[in-house]
Amino acid sequence: DAGVIQSPRHEVTEMGQEVTLRCKPISGHNSLFWYRQTMMRGLELLIYFNNNVPIDDSGMPEDRFSAKMPNASFSTLKIQPSEPRDSAVYFCASSLASSTNEQYFGPGTRLTVT
Amino acid sequence: AQSVTQPDIHITVSEGASLELRCNYSYGATPYLFWYVQSPGQGLQLLLKYFSGDTLVQGIKGFEAEFKRSQSSFNLRKPSVHWSDAAEYFCAVGANDYKLSFGAGTTVTVRA
Repeated sequence: DAGVIQSPRHEVTEMGQEVTLRCKPISGHNSLFWYRQTMMRGLELLIYFNNNVPIDDSGMPEDRFSAKMPNASFSTLKIQPSEPRDSAVYFCASSLASSTNEQYFGPGTRLTVT
Repeated sequence: AQSVTQPDIHITVSEGASLELRCNYSYGATPYLFWYVQSPGQGLQLLLKYFSGDTLVQGIKGFEAEFKRSQSSFNLRKPSVHWSDAAEYFCAVGANDYKLSFGAGTTVTVRA
């Protein structure tokens, strides 16, 4: 199994630009999570999907952030417009909802907004 | 809602010495408990998990953890650390809503 796949691994962009992060969950998993990790705030849950439907987006910082899951094998997290304070590592994780919360993480995307 | 406290921000241990990382959780029922490890520049890797049954659970890389309901704790241990164990360790607790609550993490430094 390839595990959770994220792309790109690194992204450097200028303030105001649109950024799109991508995630391919483990095949067969039906829950997907987007997290943000920073030194100041640690690991924060942004949004999670169950069977492609957003269940809880209360962690999404503001309207500049949006996430979609058009099918069971693909999700995107978009930031538009990006700001320097969005610089962080963004992780995608997936799980099988019946497996009592065990989540498998991707390698992360390190985003730098200048 | 569930929550996790990892009291130690940073621990330094000598190679070959034992290691214990503390984790305390808050949850009204029997929780699902996890330890993850994050090496520099990497994602989080699951070390071990507790759902029910035997309160001493074995994980990968020689780690074990013990669930103590009376103390609301789930401490991680390793009898003899290797330099490759230098990383950040996260304790997490789950409930019935498929979400995990993570602790702030403990950074482990291994000195030669």
